[in-house]
Amino acid sequence: QKEVEQDPGPLSVPEGAIVSLNCTYSNSAFQYFMWYRQYSRKGPELLMYTYSSGNKEDGRFTAQVDKSSKYISLFIRDSQPSDSATYLCAMSGLETSGSRLTFGEGTQLTVNP
Amino acid sequence: DGGITQSPKYLFRKEGQNVTLSCEQNLNHDAMYWYRQDPGQGLRLIYYSQIVNDFQKGDIAEGYSVSREKKESFPLTVTSAQKNPTAFYLCASRGDRAFYGYTFGSGTRLTVV
Repeated sequence: QKEVEQDPGPLSVPEGAIVSLNCTYSNSAFQYFMWYRQYSRKGPELLMYTYSSGNKEDGRFTAQVDKSSKYISLFIRDSQPSDSATYLCAMSGLETSGSRLTFGEGTQLTVNP
Repeated sequence: DGGITQSPKYLFRKEGQNVTLSCEQNLNHDAMYWYRQDPGQGLRLIYYSQIVNDFQKGDIAEGYSVSREKKESFPLTVTSAQKNPTAFYLCASRGDRAFYGYTFGSGTRLTVV
């Protein structure tokens, strides 16, 4: 069983829809949770990160972490065609310097005009 | 601007050849990583280095080699022993705080011809 599970999609929505992307994990040591966006043939870019449980909002994006359920989500409001990309969740524990992130497989999202 | 530079963007390898992918960063990060990305398999860790002159195997190190002679540079050699090298290769670095995510390069697409 993978440490991080993420539905690979593909997910296709109309412009303006609310998008929900999710990951589940099994390692209770994970404390930092990140979402990366990757456009085709590009490197991933960090979109948001959260520490422990709770919500974090940045513009149209909201990240949620529920550690009791080992479940994290990324919501995109008023989705735009420019949001079409692959979204990867990533996690790590509290260890400092140099520790590796554990990634989900990525969800491919298409927002149709 | 600080960042990670991968070169070349596209690389073609003949059967039996070794090829080296370049990764340079000016972020003053100690930790650097090499990932391989294949469709439907997410990111798989090849090698990582937490400090100069030290590196560790990741999950799929067979057929690859690395060096870390300088803090800024972490080149990856794909050897002839790697039987299926066609993939998208990503280099990343990470800062010294646990909540730092990775900064990724733009990737190198390697194709065997």
